[in-house]
Amino acid sequence: RKEVEQDPGPFNVPEGATVAFNCTYSNSASQSFFWYRQDCRKEPKLLMSVYSSGNEDGRFTAQLNRASQYISLLIRDSKLSDSATYLCVVNMGNTDKLIFGTGTRLQVFP
Amino acid sequence: EPEVTQTPSHQVTQMGQEVILRCVPISNHLYFYWYRQILGQKVEFLVSFYNNEISEKSEIFDDQFSVERPDGSNFTLKIRSTKLEDSAMYFCASGSGMNQPQHFGDGTRLSIL
Repeated sequence: RKEVEQDPGPFNVPEGATVAFNCTYSNSASQSFFWYRQDCRKEPKLLMSVYSSGNEDGRFTAQLNRASQYISLLIRDSKLSDSATYLCVVNMGNTDKLIFGTGTRLQVFP
Repeated sequence: EPEVTQTPSHQVTQMGQEVILRCVPISNHLYFYWYRQILGQKVEFLVSFYNNEISEKSEIFDDQFSVERPDGSNFTLKIRSTKLEDSAMYFCASGSGMNQPQHFGDGTRLSIL
């Protein structure tokens, strides 16, 4: 099983749509969870950390289910500028390295 | 907003040559990292550095690789004798603590001919 697994997409959605991405991770000892976004040939940029209680930042909502080892990201009212690859990222806890998923590509069209 | 800066943005080198990639982490961060991303693939961890020593390294980070923090601001990655398969985007990152978010520089594209 891959350490961090994501559906590669692409997800093609119209402006204003709601879209959800899922991610699973294999190591139950994982302690920190993040969503990053990456534009084509650019660096990963932190979108949000993911907390056990779930958290929201504007149009973005992240959820964590430790029992199922599952993380989600919900984007409401999609904008053209949301078009990017969304990376699910996990820190194993006993180590400092980040483990990246392959990313889910989102394309928002007018 | 403070950011991680990397130079050069693009480095083209002949196979077998040495390269040094440079990074200036965010000034109050104590944890430093290098990652790489081969075109079309996922981001992969190379090495982490804390308190002037390597805290962890991946299998990719073999004897050809080294890191250094020569002064209070720079953090460098050296590849001693480059191979074709070293061609990738190299990202430096820094963080304020264990399990904290890591902030990435805009990368150095390394092309080995």
